[in-house]
Order: sequence, then structure tokens, then C-alpha cells
Amino acid sequence: EVQLVESGGGLVQPGGSLRLSCVASGFNFDDFSMHWVRQLPGKGLEWVSLITGDGGSTYYADSVEGRFTISRDNGKNSLYLLLNSLRSEDTALYFCARDNHGQSVAFDNWGQGTLVTVSS
Amino acid sequence: DIQMTQSPSTLSASVGDSVTITCRASQNIINYLNWYQQKPGKAPKLLIHAASRLQSGAPPRFSGSGSGTEFTLTINSLQPEDFATYYCQHSYTTLPYTFGQGTKLEIK
Repeated sequence: EVQLVESGGGLVQPGGSLRLSCVASGFNFDDFSMHWVRQLPGKGLEWVSLITGDGGSTYYADSVEGRFTISRDNGKNSLYLLLNSLRSEDTALYFCARDNHGQSVAFDNWGQGTLVTVSS
Repeated sequence: DIQMTQSPSTLSASVGDSVTITCRASQNIINYLNWYQQKPGKAPKLLIHAASRLQSGAPPRFSGSGSGTEFTLTINSLQPEDFATYYCQHSYTTLPYTFGQGTKLEIK
């Protein structure tokens, strides 16, 4: 069974940093690209970042480019998102999601999310 | 960025009804369109990918259609567990893979 478990969320002051983790199990982790998606409180879904299976390519939404860094450790079946220079508008539930590795990309498995709150 | 617009924002229906949700893309995305279901406090769940392909494990009462810029998600014979929020998402070549704003399906 595919499982994705996020952790690392919490309360942080504006300008602060946080590192989110997502531990994967139940599949060959390094065969799959992985994404981070966030959901602002009571709002819709926003794609945040993508990393390829070998970690060689990364992509970001304009809203986080230059502030967030996605990475992975395939030896530990783990995905990370480093959040720097945090703003109040980054307050959200952050999900990791697996790319289905298909001709038409879709996010076929999701973690339960970890909540990031940016507030003084 | 490709914009995704869903309608309606809210939909009221009864158990046993059939409903349709529409998603429009701001440009041609061929069939690179996914549908997700999200229940309160839970992660989204993939229902349909590539516009019309039912994800493994999703009930067959869910179906998707469309191509180009207009797509629909149809739910036949609504069950109590279907009342949730539904999101479309494009996965055409250009990032970001934007989502629609969501359609909340409520019990009438």
C-alpha cells in the first residue's frame, strides 16, 4: 500500500524558516516524481513544487520561487520542502503527492498534510 | 499560466440524483485534465485522469468527458459519500498545474 506521511509543520514568525518532510512507503520511491501542493485555510488547492525521481530537475510556482527549495533523499524514501522568508500568505496545509508517472500527469496518492502557520 | 474555471461553485442535490460539474481551461489542454474529490479534513483523492480515465478504485458512477477547453465530471446516482468538494486540474505541458477553484456538492 502506498503511504505518504508529512511532518514538520508548525507556527513560525514572518521571515522565518521551516522544513517539511514527506516519508514514502509502498512503492519504488526513486521511480516517481513528487509534488508539493498547498491549501490555504478554507480555500482551494495550489501546486507549489515538483522534483523528478532522480532529483535532477526541480520546478516552482512563481509565488514561492526563490524562497522554497524542494529536495529528496531516495536512500531514505523522503521528500523535503525548505520554506524560507515565510509570509503570512504561506499559511496553509501542505500536502506531498506522488506523480502518477503517466503520459498524462496526475497526482495519484497524497499524504494527509502538515499545517504551516505564519504569524507573529 | 493556464486558468481553470469550474462551475457551479456550489451544487445542491439529493441522494440518487445525477449531477454534472463543468471545468473550462483558458487555452487548449487537449485531454490533460484531472478530477479530484476532497472531503473535509482529508487529502484530495484522484477520480479521473486524462479527462475520461477512471482511476483505479474509483466507483464507476463517476465519469469524465471533454477535450480542448471544456470538460465535465458526471456523477450518476449520487451516494451519501459523494457529498464533497471536487476540483479539476490541468496537467498540460506548461507548469504550474493549476487547479480549478472547486465545486462543493451539498445535500439538498
